[in-house]
Amino acid sequence: GAGVSQTPSNKVTEKGKYVELRCDPISGHTALYWYRQSLGQGPEFLIYFQGTGAADDSGLPNDRFFAVRPEGSVSTLKIQRTERGDSAVYLCASSFGPGETQYFGPGTRLLVL
Amino acid sequence: GEDVEQSLFLSVREGDSSVINCTYTDSSSTYLYWYKQEPGAGLQLLTYIFSNMDMKQDQRLTVLLNKKDKHLSLRIADTQTGDSAIYFCAERLDVGASRQLTFGSGTQLTVLP
Repeated sequence: GAGVSQTPSNKVTEKGKYVELRCDPISGHTALYWYRQSLGQGPEFLIYFQGTGAADDSGLPNDRFFAVRPEGSVSTLKIQRTERGDSAVYLCASSFGPGETQYFGPGTRLLVL
Repeated sequence: GEDVEQSLFLSVREGDSSVINCTYTDSSSTYLYWYKQEPGAGLQLLTYIFSNMDMKQDQRLTVLLNKKDKHLSLRIADTQTGDSAIYFCAERLDVGASRQLTFGSGTQLTVLP
């Protein structure tokens, strides 16, 4: 595709529920990144994939957060037992290679009630 | 991010130049980036500079980097109302497997007609 796409664009869920957020990177990009942006803040790094493997997951806040990229393209960020503090915009980015410029998608706005 | 700081607001008149400033703390940064975010949208890459450069110009945009003072600035010439947005600076450290970007909290640029 022309750019990074993310679905859904908005997600409303209840505290304690499980959610999945999807990211479709730019075609041919081997590196994929997840960030979280809280209101009034800059994005904060969560996890980075090179191919199918998580090269750096140091930004995941706790074990309720998990991400996969089984075929080295689409990635899914999974959040278990959601909490109100998880409400944020979740941004995905991709780059051609690990040292290349990161291009961002439009984000998924998650609201946990 | 606590390692990258920006002033929160900047207001300029249409046609004037805008200068957005950023300070970072890690002298090991490899690349420094400027992204633009319009309301409800993702991050749009504006420009970037490699850490061994002092200046980079790209049409209306000029980036200045002072490594000694760990200071980065973005100058927008002939600012237009369409430039109104939040501008984020970000650094990339490339430590081990990490390729994460560390963002500032963003500068809200308002362009007055």
